[in-house]
Amino acid sequence: DGGITQSPKYLFRKEGQNVTLSCEQNLNHDAMYWYRQDPGQGLRLIYYSQIVNDFQKGDIAEGYSVSREKKESFPLTVTSAQKNPTAFYLCASSTWTGGVKGTEAFFGQGTRLTVV
Amino acid sequence: KNEVEQSPQNLTAQEGEFITINCSYSVGISALHWLQQHPGGGIVSLFMLSSGKKKHGRLIATINIQEKHSSLHITASHPRDSAVYICAVPLGGGADGLTFGKGTHLIIQP
Repeated sequence: DGGITQSPKYLFRKEGQNVTLSCEQNLNHDAMYWYRQDPGQGLRLIYYSQIVNDFQKGDIAEGYSVSREKKESFPLTVTSAQKNPTAFYLCASSTWTGGVKGTEAFFGQGTRLTVV
Repeated sequence: KNEVEQSPQNLTAQEGEFITINCSYSVGISALHWLQQHPGGGIVSLFMLSSGKKKHGRLIATINIQEKHSSLHITASHPRDSAVYICAVPLGGGADGLTFGKGTHLIIQP
C-alpha cells in the first residue's frame, strides 16, 4: 500500500543534541513538507521541497534543516539551535502542480519529540 | 498569506446528532482540505474540494468560494467520530504548502 512512513513515533532527546526525524513516501509524489504542531495551535510549515535537491523555508524554519537527496525521502533535523523543539512533527506529501490547482495531501502518523 | 478560522473550537454532542463545523479563510483559493486527527496524532485527509459539495458516507463537505467559507457536516454522529477536525487551505504568498485552522475538538457521547 502506498503511503507516508514517519519514524520513530516517539522520540526523547537531551537538550543540546541534534536529532533527525525520518519521512519516507512511496506515492511517487514530487512535493514533501514538514509541519510542526503545538498544543492549541494549527500546524505550521517548517520546510518544503518540490523537487529532489531543492527545498524552501516555511514560516518557522529557524533551528531546523532538511535534505532531499531522493524523491522518496525528506528527513528533518532538529538542531540544538531550535529553542523549543518539543512538539509533534508531521510529514506530508502531494503531487505538486505548481499551485495551479489543488492537490490532495497525504500525511504521516507523526513523530512526538520530547527534549529534556 | 492566507489565514484560517474554524468554529467552534470544542463541540460535545450526543450520539445521533447532526454536526456542523465551520471554516473561513481570507484569501481566494484553488482548493480546501478537511482533515481528521485522532488522539494518536496521525492525520487523515477527508475531503479536498474546490466548489460545491462532496459526500463520503456520513460526512458532507460544502464550500462557498465567493464567501470564502466551508462547512463540514456529520450526519447520525457516532462516538467513533470523536476526533479533531482541521480545515486547511493553500498558504498563498508565493509559498507552497498549507495553512491550517486550529481544529475543532469533537466529542460524541453515547
